[in-house]
Amino acid sequence: GENVEQHPSTLSVQEGDSAVIKCTYSDSASNYFPWYKQELGKGPQLIIDIRSNVGEKKDQRIAVTLNKTAKHFSLHITETQPEDSAVYFCAAKVTLGDMRFGAGTRLTVKP
Amino acid sequence: EAEVAQSPRYKITEKSQAVAFWCDPISGHATLYWYRQILGQGPELLVQFQDESVVDDSQLPKDRFSAERLKGVDSTLKIQPAELGDSAMYLCASSLGLEGTTDTQYFGPGTRLTVL
Repeated sequence: GENVEQHPSTLSVQEGDSAVIKCTYSDSASNYFPWYKQELGKGPQLIIDIRSNVGEKKDQRIAVTLNKTAKHFSLHITETQPEDSAVYFCAAKVTLGDMRFGAGTRLTVKP
Repeated sequence: EAEVAQSPRYKITEKSQAVAFWCDPISGHATLYWYRQILGQGPELLVQFQDESVVDDSQLPKDRFSAERLKGVDSTLKIQPAELGDSAMYLCASSLGLEGTTDTQYFGPGTRLTVL
């Protein structure tokens, strides 16, 4: 089955700096790659997703890139703000398979 | 904005007791998922429903866990008897369930279970 690895497990940046979180996946048939943000005591909230026919997608300060050849995808957050502090999860999914999540990255943005 | 509803938000129980969690998906969403999230880890799928039918329950510990979605709308996840290792966040998610596509999953706030 699909295996998703996520790095780093913790990330601390200064407000205004950029943050990058990277994930690799094992199943070349995976075609959907969402990113979720989870705040303490809450459920994961989708922040951006990308499908395998697209290499990059951007939404304001958030961007995701996908390299299908290397089987990795990354989340980029620019101009970080304290409210970006949370745990971020990447995931990968094959059309008829279940979604597999990475172990999460705890992002801390210091004011 | 429509949301997935879950209750209770928190549940404390003693081992060997029975517990039940309820989920109401976003209206019109045919697919419903139950996940378990152990502290410090990503969610793991327990069971997936398409309307009222179970699509995938391969990771559900069937000796003690059961799930139902009788009318294809809301769903209940039950644990009987609860064990110490069941302490976790139980998340419900839903998606449109369009055939042949991978559609976005939206998560509820979760139920935090503590087994003493």
